[in-house]
Amino acid sequence: AQRVTQPEKLLSVFKGAPVELKCNYSYSGSPELFWYVQYSRQRLQLLLRHISRESIKGFTADLNKGETSFHLKKPFAQEEDSAMYYCALGRIKAAGNKLTFGGGTRVLVKP
Amino acid sequence: NAGVTQTPKFQVLKTGQSMTLQCAQDMNHEYMSWYRQDPGMGLRLIHYSVGAGITDQGEVPNGYNVSRSTTEDFPLRLLSAAPSQTSVYFCASSLTRYNEQFFGPGTRLTVL
Repeated sequence: AQRVTQPEKLLSVFKGAPVELKCNYSYSGSPELFWYVQYSRQRLQLLLRHISRESIKGFTADLNKGETSFHLKKPFAQEEDSAMYYCALGRIKAAGNKLTFGGGTRVLVKP
Repeated sequence: NAGVTQTPKFQVLKTGQSMTLQCAQDMNHEYMSWYRQDPGMGLRLIHYSVGAGITDQGEVPNGYNVSRSTTEDFPLRLLSAAPSQTSVYFCASSLTRYNEQFFGPGTRLTVL
């Protein structure tokens, strides 16, 4: 069975400081990993996916299959980064576009 | 495009009542899903559909029914509401299994 763990429920950082959100997964097949973000009063939206290997809003995430991790990082946090972040696991070639989500990490960036 | 829409935004039910949460998308997406969001547990998949007439169970299907008679609509039915179904419900859709999922704004349901 697949599982996604986000060990931190809350991360509080000062503006300009680095921020790293941890995500670990367990899955025996070929995973697809995603980070979704939910800003206050907005709907959940995709931030980035590992196969894109891109940086979105200054965030990057690297899939480490050896450590089964997909941590999200940003070198200089901004106040507008305050939001709820969810790591999600998809299954390549699985029937249906099903995602398994972690419990979420709330990020608070203080001025 | 309106994207993914959900109604109602808020609902309060009494134990044992039934209701249907509506979800619609105007993007001609094949895949639609229902998730529930509970504090500390992330989003959990309830049911999903890979096209009109085809539905399947997700991680937490008990107490919920779905149908997909058209590509656009994917309603979620609670036949006999229970307090354990108090949650925020999200509908999502994607063009194919490989594409980004787009989420609706959510329905906050309270069962007393």
